[in-house]
Amino acid sequence: DGGITQSPKYLFRKEGQNVTLSCEQNLNHDAMYWYRQDPGQGLRLIYYSQIVNDFQKGDIAEGYSVSREKKESFPLTVTSAQKNPTAFYLCASSISISLREQYFGPGTRLTVT
Amino acid sequence: AQSVTQPDIHITVSEGASLELRCNYSYGATPYLFWYVQSPGQGLQLLLKYFSGDTLVQGIKGFEAEFKRSQSSFNLRKPSVHWSDAAEYFCAVGASGDMRFGAGTRLTVKP
Repeated sequence: DGGITQSPKYLFRKEGQNVTLSCEQNLNHDAMYWYRQDPGQGLRLIYYSQIVNDFQKGDIAEGYSVSREKKESFPLTVTSAQKNPTAFYLCASSISISLREQYFGPGTRLTVT
Repeated sequence: AQSVTQPDIHITVSEGASLELRCNYSYGATPYLFWYVQSPGQGLQLLLKYFSGDTLVQGIKGFEAEFKRSQSSFNLRKPSVHWSDAAEYFCAVGASGDMRFGAGTRLTVKP
């Protein structure tokens, strides 16, 4: 089955620790995205990547970092600099950056205490 | 700057009743328009999309939406709601590299 996988489903960390969220797709899509979802705020774009070894900041990139070494993979690191990291994180992909529909993974809920 | 407004935070309808979820957008040109649905703790599933052409678009699960350029709206409709439609619904608009989501409308279905 083609799709997007995110792991783990739930993640718990202590404040001050970096944590990496996994996102893998087998849809052969060029573009990948990371969103953060908070209650009542919809989705906000953290980073996106048009192609391997290229990525761009979204609206709320501070305190986050990404890499795109393989077409299939777009991991997100939540660093200790992110002031309020507890949230639901969604990864998405699309055929290309010239926007057609985005397909979403199941999400990772990160809790930092 | 582009933006999306979903005026209704929460809507409750009875099972079998009709549904309309509102979406208004602000965008410089005609954007691509989408409706997504999200069940609790899950990712988003695409219900339907509008790129061009016929302004009434059909989607999955019996949903449809109508693009009205003069009103900058893209409202989602369903003639008869099922209990399984209870979820959160997001309208999104965008163009190359930039998609904006509304804050969502939570739908509750009464038996």
